[in-house]
Amino acid sequence: GAGVSQSPSNKVTEKGKDVELRCDPISGHTALYWYRQSLGQGLEFLIYFQGNSAPDKSGLPSDRFSAERTGGSVSTLTIQRTQQEDSAVYLCASSPDPYSEEQYFGPGTRLTVT
Amino acid sequence: KQEVTQIPAALSVPEGENLVLNCSFTDSAIYNLQWFRQDPGKGLTSLLLIQSSQREQTSGRLNASLDKSSGRSTLYIAASQPGDSATYLCAVRPRYTGANSKLTFGKGITLSVRP
Repeated sequence: GAGVSQSPSNKVTEKGKDVELRCDPISGHTALYWYRQSLGQGLEFLIYFQGNSAPDKSGLPSDRFSAERTGGSVSTLTIQRTQQEDSAVYLCASSPDPYSEEQYFGPGTRLTVT
Repeated sequence: KQEVTQIPAALSVPEGENLVLNCSFTDSAIYNLQWFRQDPGKGLTSLLLIQSSQREQTSGRLNASLDKSSGRSTLYIAASQPGDSATYLCAVRPRYTGANSKLTFGKGITLSVRP
């Protein structure tokens, strides 16, 4: 079956512009996670969704970052007024539920802020 | 706060060599530990998952061990091949607290297997 998909695969934007990154989880997966992988850094947790609610937003680095999930499916991560330090690969993962042992990762969106 | 460390950051070995990748973590209250592989420009592929009650897991040429009390895990790769060249990431999942099961990752070890 289809895995986790993310779009776009690559995004180049100018400093100060807003960007939206999209994640389509595996059908039926209720838990969805966003992570960020910066150059030289490990993957950092950003936000977790259970259904359409986000009980843990503790990893969002600033109020320029927000995310939503609709219909218990697609999620959008929005970065406002992008800065160069936002350049990273943004990875999305989903799992059938929070108790599931494995998270299934998408290919990521590479964001470059110039 | 859980911290996961993987040293060295990069490793280069000749083809055919057996090798061990190390991972250490600071908080032993984990639910499980996972090893992932990441190819350049690609997402993560899960290799092995070890429950906190287990000591090791094997899949083909890969064997992962877990010593929870000392906060260490190793990924053993037998008879390495050039196709094994990738970045290997270790991640731990905390005991489920009812909040979420976010993973804490190490920075990864970039492995290069020379033909």
